[in-house]
Amino acid sequence: EAQVTQNPRYLITVTGKKLTVTCSQNMNHEYMSWYRQDPGLGLRQIYYSMNVEVTDKGDVPEGYKVSRKEKRNFPLILESPSPNQTSLYFCASRTEGRSHQPQHFGDGTRLSIL
Amino acid sequence: ILNVEQSPQSLHVQEGDSTNFTCSFPSSNFYALHWYRWETAKSPEALFVMTLNGDEKKKGRISATLNTKEGYSYLYIKGSQPEDSATYLCAFNSGDDKIIFGKGTRLHILP
Repeated sequence: EAQVTQNPRYLITVTGKKLTVTCSQNMNHEYMSWYRQDPGLGLRQIYYSMNVEVTDKGDVPEGYKVSRKEKRNFPLILESPSPNQTSLYFCASRTEGRSHQPQHFGDGTRLSIL
Repeated sequence: ILNVEQSPQSLHVQEGDSTNFTCSFPSSNFYALHWYRWETAKSPEALFVMTLNGDEKKKGRISATLNTKEGYSYLYIKGSQPEDSATYLCAFNSGDDKIIFGKGTRLHILP
């Protein structure tokens, strides 16, 4: 089954404790992206990747890092999480960067930073 | 800064009634517009990909139109059913690989 898998689905942690949210897709998609969803603000893009070893900042990259060492994986790293990063996070992928195709979304990761 | 606006923010519709809502986007540098349906506790799912001015797409009771010259797209739902309750998102793609989402229209179907 074609899917985007995020882990963990839920996490409560404390300020400053490094965490990684993993994202994996099994569709051989080139383009992958991370979004955060906050009430009243909609989905905002954090980082995206056009292909392996190619990553770019989205609209709200501060406080986040990503890597794309393999095509299928695109982890989101919070080196020193802060309470303002409490949010619902979605990973998404699509066939290629410059494409009309829509994105496939993971099920979301709800992060609470205390 | 690219801005994508959706209106209304929230909508209550009686079951059986038809409804529509709007997505406004920049009229320059248009590449594609996507509509997504996002049910509570699930992830957004693609409904339509709109690429050409004048495009009309239809899936069952849901349809969408596109006007790239004036920068808007309408989503129509005919004969609303309880299962149509969801948030409907539009996403503007200007071809530079960034995708800008609107804040969504939250649709509630009243029995």
